[in-house]
Amino acid sequence: VQLVQSGGGVVQTGRSLRLSCAASGFTFSNYAMHWVRQTPGKGLEWVALISFDGGNKYYADSVKGRFTVSRDNSKNTVFLQMNSLRPDDTALYYCASGAGVAAALPYWGQGALVTVSS
Amino acid sequence: QSALTQPPSASGSPGESATISCTGTSSDIGGYNYVSWYQQHPGKAPKLMIYEVTKRPSGVPDRFSGSKSGNRASLTVSGLQAEDEADYYCFSYTDSNNLVFGGGTKLTVL
Repeated sequence: VQLVQSGGGVVQTGRSLRLSCAASGFTFSNYAMHWVRQTPGKGLEWVALISFDGGNKYYADSVKGRFTVSRDNSKNTVFLQMNSLRPDDTALYYCASGAGVAAALPYWGQGALVTVSS
Repeated sequence: QSALTQPPSASGSPGESATISCTGTSSDIGGYNYVSWYQQHPGKAPKLMIYEVTKRPSGVPDRFSGSKSGNRASLTVSGLQAEDEADYYCFSYTDSNNLVFGGGTKLTVL
C-alpha cells in the first residue's frame, strides 16, 4: 500500500494551492480518504474527508468554505484544493485512507509541506 | 470541534506500564466506539496502533491495548521498550460526520 503526495510549496496569503495523493496497492474506490494536517512542532488536526464514491464530503470548521476535497477513482487519486490560504494554514498535510467515514486510518502518505507567507 | 483532551506528557521505565488518557464528550468518545490511537515518531507519518477502541491492527504488539469508559478512552502500553518513546494521539468520530484528534501526548521511556 502506498499513498504518494505531491503539490506542496510556498504560497502567499490569499492564494490557492492543490494537493494530490496517488494511491496504489489497495482498492482505492472502496476507501474513504482523509486529509490531516500538522503544524510544525504541534499536533494533528483533521481537515477533510471524502467518501469512497465522492458522494459525501465533510470539513473541519477551520477550512470550511475555503478547502474542497475531491477524488478521481479512475486515477486512484484524491485532491485537496485550498483557496484563500492564510498563514495559519501553514502545515504538513497528510492524506490518509480509511475503510469508512468513521473508520480508523491505517494508511498514510508521506506528507506535503504547505507554507503560507504573509 | 474542540480537540480531545490528552495529558501533554507521560512516562515510565523500561518494562513498566504507561497509560495515556483521552477525554471527550458524549458527542464523540462517549457516543461512538470509533476511537483510534496513533503513534508518531519524529519526522514520520502517524501509525495506527488501536482502532474501534480496543482492536489492534496486524503487526502491532499486544503490549498495546485500548479501553473506554464513558467519555474517556485510554491507551496502555505494557512492558515499555525504548522504541515506544513517541507522540501518541487519540482520534474519534463525532456527531455530524466530523472527526477530531486529541492534542497529543509525548511518551518518554525513562
